[in-house]
Amino acid sequence: DTEVTQTPKHLVMGMTNKKSLKCEQHMGHRAMYWYKQKAKKPPELMFVYSYEKLSINESVPSRFSPECPNSSLLNLHLHALQPEDSALYLCASSPQDLTAGADTQYFGPGTRLTVL
Amino acid sequence: DQQVKQNSPSLSVQEGRISILNCDYTNSMFDYFLWYKKYPAEGPTFLISISSIKDKNEDGRFTVFLNKSAKHLSLHIVPSQPGDSAVYFCAASDDNNDMRFGAGTRLTVKP
Repeated sequence: DTEVTQTPKHLVMGMTNKKSLKCEQHMGHRAMYWYKQKAKKPPELMFVYSYEKLSINESVPSRFSPECPNSSLLNLHLHALQPEDSALYLCASSPQDLTAGADTQYFGPGTRLTVL
Repeated sequence: DQQVKQNSPSLSVQEGRISILNCDYTNSMFDYFLWYKKYPAEGPTFLISISSIKDKNEDGRFTVFLNKSAKHLSLHIVPSQPGDSAVYFCAASDDNNDMRFGAGTRLTVKP
């Protein structure tokens, strides 16, 4: 199994809703990432978990709340989002933790989020 | 289902020589292809792109080649420099802007 899966594939939510994005990998990877991507722009790093602990938070607003319940699962909880938060949210994982330096990453297909 | 594949996890090249990074894709609906470069603990940064109506795009030391019939994409870096050492990702998108990434190739340029 060399896949990173993300659910749901599409999500539409209102600004007062609470929803969660889910990411899963069963490759035994030690680092997991959340990215936000606008159309045809590079993904923007949001959070990095290394060994299930939050290692990097790129000054992301608190309306985005990550959670790593176990080594295979990464969630992104959403609350009180704004329309400008509409984007493709990508999850990725990599075999080594951040201290190992440059590493390959396996990306999931993303969740396309629309905030109304 | 890996729609974009980079079959070489790593590549080592001598400074001044050419680096060639390869990428294969399976989805014929992809019409826009990109290469990203990534340093540790940072997000990928855009490097160069190519639309499916072209077969070559050049930007300084970086050239991307697209072979649509073979569904193959390559990035050439000439001459390679030690500062080019990073992980390089190939990505492809379709009309819906759904983007798929390869797993990356770690390039090491030795002085």
